[in-house]
Formats: sequence, C-alpha cells, structure tokens
Amino acid sequence: EAGVTQFPSHSVIEKGQTVTLRCDPISGHDNLYWYRRVMGKEIKFLLHFVKESKQDESGMPNNRFLAERTGGTYSTLKVQPAELEDSGVYFCASSQVAGGPYGYTFGSGTRLTVV
Amino acid sequence: AQSVTQPDIHITVSEGASLELRCNYSYGATPYLFWYVQSPGQGLQLLLKYFSGDTLVQGIKGFEAEFKRSQSSFNLRKPSVHWSDAAEYFCAVVTNQAGTALIFGKGTTLSVSS
Repeated sequence: EAGVTQFPSHSVIEKGQTVTLRCDPISGHDNLYWYRRVMGKEIKFLLHFVKESKQDESGMPNNRFLAERTGGTYSTLKVQPAELEDSGVYFCASSQVAGGPYGYTFGSGTRLTVV
Repeated sequence: AQSVTQPDIHITVSEGASLELRCNYSYGATPYLFWYVQSPGQGLQLLLKYFSGDTLVQGIKGFEAEFKRSQSSFNLRKPSVHWSDAAEYFCAVVTNQAGTALIFGKGTTLSVSS
C-alpha cells in the first residue's frame, strides 16, 4: 500500500508569490488532514476534508490559504500571497475512518521557505 | 482548551541506556493518545496509541508507553536505546471521538551518544 505522498518536498519562494502544495492520500482514505509546523512551535491542525467536503477548517490561519480536494482524491493547499511567517513544514495525513483510535498516516511533509 | 506538554525539549541518552520521554495532557476525560516519531528527512511515523484497555501499550521499534489517568500522563519508554532512535518524538491527543484534529506537543529531540 502506497503511503501519503506530498510534493514538493521543499519549496523556496519570495514573499508575495504563490505556492501550491499537493497531497495524495492513501487510496480509499476519505479523510484528509493538513497540519503545519512553524519553526520552534508545535504541529498545528489546519483543516480536515471528508471526501471533497471541508469538515473542519478552524485551523486555517487566514484567507491567504486555500485548500481544495476536487473529486475527493488528492488535495492542494495554496498560499497566495505568501508571507514570511508562512515558512514551516506542511504535513498531510489521511485516515480511513475519522476519529481518534483509528490512527492517521502522515506524509513526509513539504518544507516551505518564504524569503 | 486542550493541550499537550512535553517538558523536555532535548534529551541525550547513551546508547544502550534506558529512555523515558514525558508527556502530559490537559483534558477532562480520557483522550486518545499517540506517540509519533520523525527521523531526519522522514515523515511522522506512528509509534503507538492508546484509547482504552490495558494502560501499558506496546509499540513498534521496542517502545512502550504507559497511560496514567491520575497524572494525566502518557510517557514513552524504551529499555535500551539504539543510535537509530535519534529523532524527534511527538506526543499527541485527540479529544473528541468524532473529531478530527490531533493536538501535538512541541516535541522532544532525542540524541544518542556512543
């Protein structure tokens, strides 16, 4: 079984530019999550998709962030325009069933650097 | 608000020595508890989880964790550390059975000395 795939693995962009991160969940996993770790801080939840619907987007920092999951398969997270404080590692996770005990499989993350 | 505390930012252990990483959570009921590990260049890998039953949980790579309700703790242990265990370790909780978001601690970086 293929794991959760994220790309790019690294991205360096200038302030004001746009970046799109992609996450391919495990096949058959309806639940897809985005998390972010800013340097020196804890990993924080951004949002949760169930299939193509946003179940919970309470962690999205502001309207410069746009997440989509067309067709309920892969997801993209776009940052437009990027700011310096957006730098960090963005993780994607998926699960077959929502809810704690079933576990979450994480991808390797995308390290975003805004200069 | 729910929170997870990992009081040790960085720990150094000699190879072959025992290890205990601390984790405390703040939540009224018993949450679902997880330990993840991130090795350099890798993603987050699940070591073990607890949601009910036996409070001593066995995980992968020889790790175990013990849930102590009275102390709101879920400490991770390993009897003999290997150099390959050097990584960053994260304790996390989910507090709503139908919920979604993992709440993470800030992580503990483990260095292993020879």
